[in-house]
Amino acid sequence: EAGVAQSPRYKIIEKRQSVAFWCNPISGHATLYWYQQILGQGPKLLIQFQNNGVVDDSQLPKDRFSAERLKGVDSTLKIQPAKLEDSAVYLCASSLGGGPGPSRELFFGEGSRLTVL
Amino acid sequence: GESVGLHLPTLSVQEGDNSIINCAYSNSASDYFIWYKQESGKGPQFIIDIRSNMDKRQGQRVTVLLNKTVKHLSLQIAATQPGDSAVYFCAVCNTNAGKSTFGDGTTLTVKP
Repeated sequence: EAGVAQSPRYKIIEKRQSVAFWCNPISGHATLYWYQQILGQGPKLLIQFQNNGVVDDSQLPKDRFSAERLKGVDSTLKIQPAKLEDSAVYLCASSLGGGPGPSRELFFGEGSRLTVL
Repeated sequence: GESVGLHLPTLSVQEGDNSIINCAYSNSASDYFIWYKQESGKGPQFIIDIRSNMDKRQGQRVTVLLNKTVKHLSLQIAATQPGDSAVYFCAVCNTNAGKSTFGDGTTLTVKP
């Protein structure tokens, strides 16, 4: 079974530039999550989709971050303009649906490492 | 909201010893708990979970203990191997609210 695919794996940009990350979840997984993981910290939820609808985006800095999941399958996360403090690994995860819970474990991709100079 | 803390950010053990990683949480409404392992350059990987109606669950070489009275859970790894070296995270979930919160992780180093 194919896992969660993410690209690019690495990206280096200057501050104030823009960047986009792509995620393709496991086939059949209705719920998709984007997490930000700063070095030395645990993943922090940015946004959660159920199919193509947003369930939770309370932690998403909406002045610079946006995400979409058209057609309820793959998703993109965009940052514009980037700041130095956005340097982190952006993890995408998917699950069968309905939020975290028994038999609805999260499967993570390998992440996209962003460095903002 | 929920806050999740770990007792030790790093843990070093000898190969073959048992490892114990601890996690504390704050919200008594949390009802589902998960331990993840994250190897360098990879995403977190599910290890074991436990529901709030249980106090112990065992897997292959791993055991999770839950003490709801003091809001504490632990991950025990038996006969730790070099391949167990990684960062371990607990995730604390409130399934009714559809929320989960990760702790900051404990880095486990296994010395040969």
